Amino acid sequence: AQSVAQPEDQVNVAEGNPLTVKCTYSVSGNPYLFWYVQYPNRGLQFLLKYITGDNLVKGSYGFEAEFNKSQTSFHLKKPSALVSDSALYFCAVRDPYNFNKFYFGSGTKLNVKP
Amino acid sequence: DGGITQSPKYLFRKEGQNVTLSCEQNLNHDAMYWYRQDPGQGLRLIYYSQIVNDFQKGDIAEGYSVSREKKESFPLTVTSAQKNPTAFYLCASLPLGTDPYNEQFFGPGTRLTVL
Repeated sequence: AQSVAQPEDQVNVAEGNPLTVKCTYSVSGNPYLFWYVQYPNRGLQFLLKYITGDNLVKGSYGFEAEFNKSQTSFHLKKPSALVSDSALYFCAVRDPYNFNKFYFGSGTKLNVKP
Repeated sequence: DGGITQSPKYLFRKEGQNVTLSCEQNLNHDAMYWYRQDPGQGLRLIYYSQIVNDFQKGDIAEGYSVSREKKESFPLTVTSAQKNPTAFYLCASLPLGTDPYNEQFFGPGTRLTVL
């Protein structure tokens, strides 16, 4: 079965500091990984996705993600956090045997304090 | 929130009533999805549809029903059989094809509260 795990329910960081939101995956086959952001009472917005061969992926709003095959991780990063980055972040994996299905992590709430 | 609209934004239901949540997309996407979001549980798949007049159950389909009569529309009915329907409901769409890197597009969501 395919799955992703987000081990932290919440991450707190001060504005201007680097941030990391963790995601690990379990996939039998090639991993197709995605990060989304959700602001309160809104839908999910796409941030970035892993393309095979690109271990460092750059996405929207200055976010990037680091893919590590040996650790089966796809952590979301940003060099300098903004208060406006405070939101709920979801990692997702696409089922490589049924492209129509996606599996989402439980979400990580990012709090950026001024 | 892309080209997906969901209505209403907020919905209140009395116990024992069926309610229908609307989802419309103008992205010409083939696949459409309904997810349920509860605090701390991420998104759980209710139903999805790849083409008109066809749909498949997701992980938590009990107490829900859908239809796909038009490519643009994928309404979700929450029936009285759903014991705990209070949640945030998200509709999504996806262009089909052989590209595994296509991402889903999400609507703004409907918050359903049972009184």
